[in-house]
Amino acid sequence: QKEVEQNSGPLSVPEGAIASLNCTYSDRGSQSFFWYRQYSGKSPELIMFIYSNGDKEDGRFTAQLNKASQYVSLLIRDSQPSDSATYLCAVKGNTGFQKLVFGTGTRLLVSP
Amino acid sequence: EPEVTQTPSHQVTQMGQEVILRCVPISNHLYFYWYRQILGQKVEFLVSFYNNEISEKSEIFDDQFSVERPDGSNFTLKIRSTKLEDSAMYFCASSEAQPRAESGANVLTFGAGSRLTVL
Repeated sequence: QKEVEQNSGPLSVPEGAIASLNCTYSDRGSQSFFWYRQYSGKSPELIMFIYSNGDKEDGRFTAQLNKASQYVSLLIRDSQPSDSATYLCAVKGNTGFQKLVFGTGTRLLVSP
Repeated sequence: EPEVTQTPSHQVTQMGQEVILRCVPISNHLYFYWYRQILGQKVEFLVSFYNNEISEKSEIFDDQFSVERPDGSNFTLKIRSTKLEDSAMYFCASSEAQPRAESGANVLTFGAGSRLTVL
């Protein structure tokens, strides 16, 4: 069973802190990894994607990938109350038209 | 910024009725998808569509479901005889490139969703 696992949270951090969101996946052949943000009642909105081992930075966001450990994470620096949302990790395999498999998401709460 | 448009935003129907959810993908995108999210649960893949045919479907996508691209712009999801458990948010998505492309073109853009309530 191909699975993507996330801690459901909530993860509570104060404004200005670093929020660290983690995700593990079971399909060792996975090649593409995505972080989406979802506000309550809204659709997933892409934050970042990463394909290669290591870090990828985009503004306040850094995605980290470790394929050997089957682990991907998202760091949010200088967290803002507007970052409060559910963060979805999504993984795609590398054969054919592989579907995007989502985790259950981690709810992040940033307090002022 | 280009967006995926979905209609209706909310539909209430009686069990056993047929429902059609409509989507207009981004114009230069070639790959289309339907996902659903039952309240409080994860986003689940239903079906992918390319070159006017289904390229992959999940076990959820049984004979009660069908998809169609009736013209050059619309992409529809039909549920023939709705059940209570079909109540969910249905998201249409599209992408520019084939899913293995390691580039931003591989990324799915989601529509705002259609909330289906089956009574």
